[in-house]
Amino acid sequence: EIVMTQSPANLSVSPGERATLSCRASQSVGSNLAWYQQKPGQAPRLLLYGASTRATGIPTRFSGSGSGTEFTLTISSLQSEDFAVYFCQQYNKWPVSTFGQGTKLETK
Amino acid sequence: VQLEESGGGLVQPGGSLRLSCVASGFPVANSYIFWVRQTPGKGLEWVSVISAAATTTVADSAEGRFTVSRDNSENKVYLQMNSLRSEDTAVYYCVKDSSGWGIFDSWGHGTLVTVSS
Repeated sequence: EIVMTQSPANLSVSPGERATLSCRASQSVGSNLAWYQQKPGQAPRLLLYGASTRATGIPTRFSGSGSGTEFTLTISSLQSEDFAVYFCQQYNKWPVSTFGQGTKLETK
Repeated sequence: VQLEESGGGLVQPGGSLRLSCVASGFPVANSYIFWVRQTPGKGLEWVSVISAAATTTVADSAEGRFTVSRDNSENKVYLQMNSLRSEDTAVYYCVKDSSGWGIFDSWGHGTLVTVSS
């Protein structure tokens, strides 16, 4: 099983600042990496797939990069609605996929 | 596109439960529908999938206990869960994979399953 490790577990950032979240795969997943946002009491929402392609309706302040085993989600200027938990997911071998444990983005 | 789960609840270890997912805005007959569960401890975990061709796969953790099916006329997908264990306690989400690659682009609100005596 491919293990996804996210860091940091918690991140405190001030509104308007940039946030950088990391995700590492235990083996190469190519670009088969997605990012999700989850707010309390809600289901996850797809933000990015293919490591860097924004899903429909996702603001341009969300960007992704990386390939192989190292990936990054960047939120360029944090808005109040961006404080949430973020998960990465590898989908390199359908239908098996695995998720990271999440990074909780909090207001500083 | 909307997905709505139902059927969760409290069940004793060894018991059974059937979850339902009704879809609107698209036909389940042409879609890949996953069940994904979430717990505070283990996080997000894929459980099962039914493909557009109606082939099914379940995760190793559910093999031999869970089965997935669908009713095209009702536009519903079901997850039959037998021999439930405490570790099956989770919020279960019905999720659409439009690409067929494992990208989860639409999620239901989830239904809570609690396995406890």
